[in-house]
Amino acid sequence: DGGITQSPKYLFRKEGQNVTLSCEQNLNHDAMYWYRQDPGQGLRLIYYSQIVNDFQKGDIAEGYSVSREKKESFPLTVTSAQKNPTAFYLCASSSYRGAGDTQYFGPGTRLTVL
Amino acid sequence: GESVGLHLPTLSVQEGDNSIINCAYSNSASDYFIWYKQESGKGPQFIIDIRSNMDKRQGQRVTVLLNKTVKHLSLQIAATQPGDSAVYFCAENSMEYGNKLVFGAGTILRVKS
Repeated sequence: DGGITQSPKYLFRKEGQNVTLSCEQNLNHDAMYWYRQDPGQGLRLIYYSQIVNDFQKGDIAEGYSVSREKKESFPLTVTSAQKNPTAFYLCASSSYRGAGDTQYFGPGTRLTVL
Repeated sequence: GESVGLHLPTLSVQEGDNSIINCAYSNSASDYFIWYKQESGKGPQFIIDIRSNMDKRQGQRVTVLLNKTVKHLSLQIAATQPGDSAVYFCAENSMEYGNKLVFGAGTILRVKS
């Protein structure tokens, strides 16, 4: 069954803790993305990676970190430096060809800070 | 449509009617556009896309229209069903954005039975 998986579905964090959100894809896509979604707003890009061992900051990278050690995996760490981390986090992937490509999304992780 | 804070524009339609959801995009250099559907608590689902060298593209029960003159994109859903109830997003891509997608805030579609 091909697709993008994210885990966990729900995550609770205490203030001051770092947490890592998992994103895995078996679509053989080169590019992967992390977005944040707040109620009633569009998706905002946190980080993206077009190739293994390389990634770039998006529009709201402060307080987040990523790694891309494997093509199929792109974990996102929400650090204690992120002041308002409660949100719905979405991972996406695309077969990057440099000409605009459809991004396919995972089911999302809802992070709540207690 | 444009969103203002937490208040997304809402379109209410009767089951069986046609729906038209509109999107004003921002960059005249954008060359690729996508419509996504997002149900509550789920990730966005690809519906249909269109490139800037086309004005219209049809899928199953859906049609996307692109008017580059006024930077306007629309999604038409034929014979709207209760399962179509969701938030619909348009997204645009441009070389100026480094081939990243820029998303609109979305429109809520409510289907009344």
